[in-house]
Amino acid sequence: KNQVEQSPQSLIILEGKNCTLQCNYTVSPFSNLRWYKQDTGRGPVSLTIMTFSENTKSNGRYTATLDADTKQSSLHITASQLSDSASYICVVSAVGTDKLIFGTGTRLQVFP
Amino acid sequence: DAGVIQSPRHEVTEMGQEVTLRCKPISGHDYLFWYRQTMMRGLELLIYFNNNVPIDDSGMPEDRFSAKMPNASFSTLKIQPSEPRDSAVYFCASSLRGGADGAYGYTFGSGTRLTVV
Repeated sequence: KNQVEQSPQSLIILEGKNCTLQCNYTVSPFSNLRWYKQDTGRGPVSLTIMTFSENTKSNGRYTATLDADTKQSSLHITASQLSDSASYICVVSAVGTDKLIFGTGTRLQVFP
Repeated sequence: DAGVIQSPRHEVTEMGQEVTLRCKPISGHDYLFWYRQTMMRGLELLIYFNNNVPIDDSGMPEDRFSAKMPNASFSTLKIQPSEPRDSAVYFCASSLRGGADGAYGYTFGSGTRLTVV
């Protein structure tokens, strides 16, 4: 069964600190993996997208990595800011389907 | 571009009433997706359209749910009759291509928060 699991479920860090969020998937055949940021009361917004051949991609202070062999991805946030407080959702798609498979997200809270 | 536009932003209704949620996709996008989000289950795909034609409605929970896309710029999700367990945030998203081809402008609306009392 195609699944996407994220850890931790929630995370609290102090402003300025770094953090890493994890995503494991069992989706096959793999097409691409995306990380979304969802602010409270808003829709998810795409941060990065990676295909099978890419193992890292950055978007400002956000850096995503992908290990297609172990089917793992991580999202690293550098020098966190209060505005980084949000849910981060890992999303995977399979070849031959228009459907996306969503993880349940990691809720990040950044405190001053 | 104004992005994907959903209305209303909030809806509170009594059990048994009909509820209609609306979505205007980004112009030129030929895929439209309806999702439901709850704390327990996260984001779930309900139904999606390609060129106004429903492709997969296997995520629609019950016959009480129905969706239409009469033209390329408008879609509705209707719940009749509504029940308290339908309370959730409903998102609409549109894209240039389907999920397997990558993001290609895959954009979510701001959602409709539905509360059924």
